[in-house]
Amino acid sequence: GQQVMQIPQYQHVQEGEDFTTYCNSSTTLSNIQWYKQRPGGHPVFLIQLVKSGEVKKQKRLTFQFGEAKKNSSLHITATQTTDVGTYFCAGLESQGNLIFGKGTKLSVKP
Amino acid sequence: DAGVIQSPRHEVTEMGQEVTLRCKPISGHNSLFWYRQTMMRGLELLIYFNNNVPIDDSGMPEDRFSAKMPNASFSTLKIQPSEPRDSAVYFCASSSTFYRGAKLFFGSGTQLSVL
Repeated sequence: GQQVMQIPQYQHVQEGEDFTTYCNSSTTLSNIQWYKQRPGGHPVFLIQLVKSGEVKKQKRLTFQFGEAKKNSSLHITATQTTDVGTYFCAGLESQGNLIFGKGTKLSVKP
Repeated sequence: DAGVIQSPRHEVTEMGQEVTLRCKPISGHNSLFWYRQTMMRGLELLIYFNNNVPIDDSGMPEDRFSAKMPNASFSTLKIQPSEPRDSAVYFCASSSTFYRGAKLFFGSGTQLSVL
């Protein structure tokens, strides 16, 4: 079935370093959402991207939606220990199913 | 706003026992979703409801799983009989529209362990 691939699976960074996670779909997506799940917590909505080539920023977080609407990325500048958690993308496919990636688990060493 | 409320937070049971997970969506939300999260398979959609009506249950693993939504403020997910491979975190989520691409609000989840 339809899959949304997310890489890397894990990322370990030193505090202050940048971090990027990537999401790829084999088919065009209607929109893409990003969620953050803290250790032991539940997914929390961060943002939704709808337009081709769209870029949105939230403080140190930058979200992009590819021109072909098949890929997306989340970039965190100068990571902090509060950024620790798993970041999920979720793509809405043309048939109306919201498909979650398996997430990228970020750990930050102080 | 209280958010999506799930109970219990943790459930430990023995294989063969019946397990019932409960969810109260955010008031006014008309779509409700049950997800299962495991390390191997990630977040999987089990079933979702619009206005209390089950719309898509294709993600329900097998007949041992059933879900109901008797009214707009309550839903249950039942596993009978439970098996060790059902061990996972079960999340309930709700959204304010029928649009499948709408923002999801997740509950805190139920950590289920079947021994």
